[in-house]
Amino acid sequence: AQSVTQPDIHITVSEGASLELRCNYSYGATPYLFWYVQSPGQGLQLLLKYFSGDTLVQGIKGFEAEFKRSQSSFNLRKPSVHWSDAAEYFCAVGYNNNDMRFGAGTRLTVKP
Amino acid sequence: DTAVSQTPKYLVTQMGNDKSIKCEQNLGHDTMYWYKQDSKKFLKIMFSYNNKELIINETVPNRFSPKSPDKAHLNLHINSLELGDSAVYFCASSQEEAYGYTFGSGTRLTVV
Repeated sequence: AQSVTQPDIHITVSEGASLELRCNYSYGATPYLFWYVQSPGQGLQLLLKYFSGDTLVQGIKGFEAEFKRSQSSFNLRKPSVHWSDAAEYFCAVGYNNNDMRFGAGTRLTVKP
Repeated sequence: DTAVSQTPKYLVTQMGNDKSIKCEQNLGHDTMYWYKQDSKKFLKIMFSYNNKELIINETVPNRFSPKSPDKAHLNLHINSLELGDSAVYFCASSQEEAYGYTFGSGTRLTVV
């Protein structure tokens, strides 16, 4: 069955520092891949997605992610974190079966 | 002009009661979903409907019953509420999975 792993439960970075959040998926075929962000008390907002083409995808709020088939990974990056980026980040996978599965989430704390 | 709207936003009720959560989307999407987010932020799919037809029904207690009167609405009815049902419930919709899901802002259910 499809699954997705986010190895880091909680990450703390200083404002202005770079960020990388890890995501690995397990399944044979190449899935649709997504990153969502959830601010406290809010719903999930789509940051970016990959389903084909260029393996480096750009999203909103200055985020990007790179799909690496050999590593079954889809890590999220941002070159310079802002205090407003503090939130919960979820990686998700789908296989065109209306059954998107989410990782456990990574909570990002930004130090001033 | 909210894309996916859920009501109510908060719901506090006693054990044993029956309650409903409503969801509406104005995006013209064909597929709608219910997800449950537990206290550890883990998101689990419960149901998905495509054009008013149930297509995914994960292992949830049969006290939970989704109802889709038309493709813009997917309501969740819960009978005989239990303490363990306390969670945040998210509705979502999509046109094609490759483009990601649009989520509502969630309904926080507290059973006392």
